[in-house]
Amino acid sequence: AQKVTQAQTEISVVEKEDVTLDCVYETRDTTYYLFWYKQPPSGELVFLIRRNSFDEQNEISGRYSWNFQKSTSSFNFTITASQVVDSAVYFCALSVGISSGSARQLTFGSGTQLTVLP
Amino acid sequence: DAGVTQSPTHLIKTRGQQVTLRCSPISGHKSVSWYQQVLGQGPQFIFQYYEKEERGRGNFPDRFSARQFPNYSSELNVNALLLGDSALYLCASSSYVGQGIFGQGTRLTVV
Repeated sequence: AQKVTQAQTEISVVEKEDVTLDCVYETRDTTYYLFWYKQPPSGELVFLIRRNSFDEQNEISGRYSWNFQKSTSSFNFTITASQVVDSAVYFCALSVGISSGSARQLTFGSGTQLTVLP
Repeated sequence: DAGVTQSPTHLIKTRGQQVTLRCSPISGHKSVSWYQQVLGQGPQFIFQYYEKEERGRGNFPDRFSARQFPNYSSELNVNALLLGDSALYLCASSSYVGQGIFGQGTRLTVV
């Protein structure tokens, strides 16, 4: 069985601070994908990034960056120079198997509520 | 292009009733997945359909059922509603290898 743990329930930062959201996953599969989604108050889950188990190269996209470490089963997400519009619930998710890249059967963490104060 | 469309957006049902939720995927996407998100929790996988066949089922009772139509739209049915079925129901569509695109969900309240 798969499991995703987001130990941080709520984080509050002041605008322009950097913030890192932690994600730890468990799976016995060797082929898997990891995802981050953002859920604003409207409820829609917005895709942020997908990483497969064979690609540990970390990525930076604008103010977002991701740190994938298989050795510690972690897939952390950092927002640099946070903004009020970044306030949302952020979910880490896992999909396993050969066809796992399409995110069709996701195991989600419990989410981290990020509040960015002006 | 239209995104994933779910209907209705909100509804209120009484315990014991039945409900049908609908999802229209993005044009060209053949896979639809359903998730239940209880307030304060992460979404939980219910069903996945691909090319009109069930490809996966989460740990939900038989009161939950779904189907996918030839145009790849999908319905989720829940019978004998319980108070605990109150949640946001999310639909995600995807191509074979693309990441899932979620709709805005249907918020179901059971009273």
